[in-house]
Amino acid sequence: DTGVSQNPRHKITKRGQNVTFRCDPISEHNRLYWYRQTLGQGPEFLTYFQNEAQLEKSRLLSDRFSAERPKGSFSTLEIQRTEQGDSAMYLCASSGLSGSHNEQFFGPGTRLTVL
Amino acid sequence: AQSVTQLDSQVPVFEEAPVELRCNYSSSVSVYLFWYVQYPNQGLQLLLKYLSGSTLVKGINGFEAEFNKSQTSFHLRKPSVHISDTAEYFCAVSPSGSARQLTFGSGTQLTVLP
Repeated sequence: DTGVSQNPRHKITKRGQNVTFRCDPISEHNRLYWYRQTLGQGPEFLTYFQNEAQLEKSRLLSDRFSAERPKGSFSTLEIQRTEQGDSAMYLCASSGLSGSHNEQFFGPGTRLTVL
Repeated sequence: AQSVTQLDSQVPVFEEAPVELRCNYSSSVSVYLFWYVQYPNQGLQLLLKYLSGSTLVKGINGFEAEFNKSQTSFHLRKPSVHISDTAEYFCAVSPSGSARQLTFGSGTQLTVLP
């Protein structure tokens, strides 16, 4: 499968714990995006990378959220000291420089439940 | 900044009937427009997009959408729906000209009834 993959698919954690999610983009894509989707809403943009550079992070929800893409390939999203309000689906998407402008390909998401 | 309004949160329709899902947007700059579909427990799949040129855009699975700049709308249509079209549909915009984040509407749940 050459699509965007995300791991884990589901994560249940207790309030106050730290969690980390991984996203593997389509291999030739240099842009990678993170979104959060809560129940009944559309995805909400969090941050994006071009190669290893994080070009937009002002939309990260708080300083408990951080993302990395150290080698310009896979990315991780970490949430520290989780709160019940962090329960949501976290989506990753990737896109390439050439071809279809701004067409973002989405992964299946990681569903986080904070107890 | 951009915003997207999907006017109907739920649209029930009988199989083989036509359907229109409405989307209006607001932006101070020119935009690209997208429709995505999300099946239960799956990621979003691109249905169609408007970048420039013809305002009538055809996508996958028999869907089409028309960009109306004066009304800032990008409504999605299908002349005859199938049970398998039951899903959540999201309209999205991004500033044109470079890769930017998508701004999504809140979604429309399309339910096709037998």
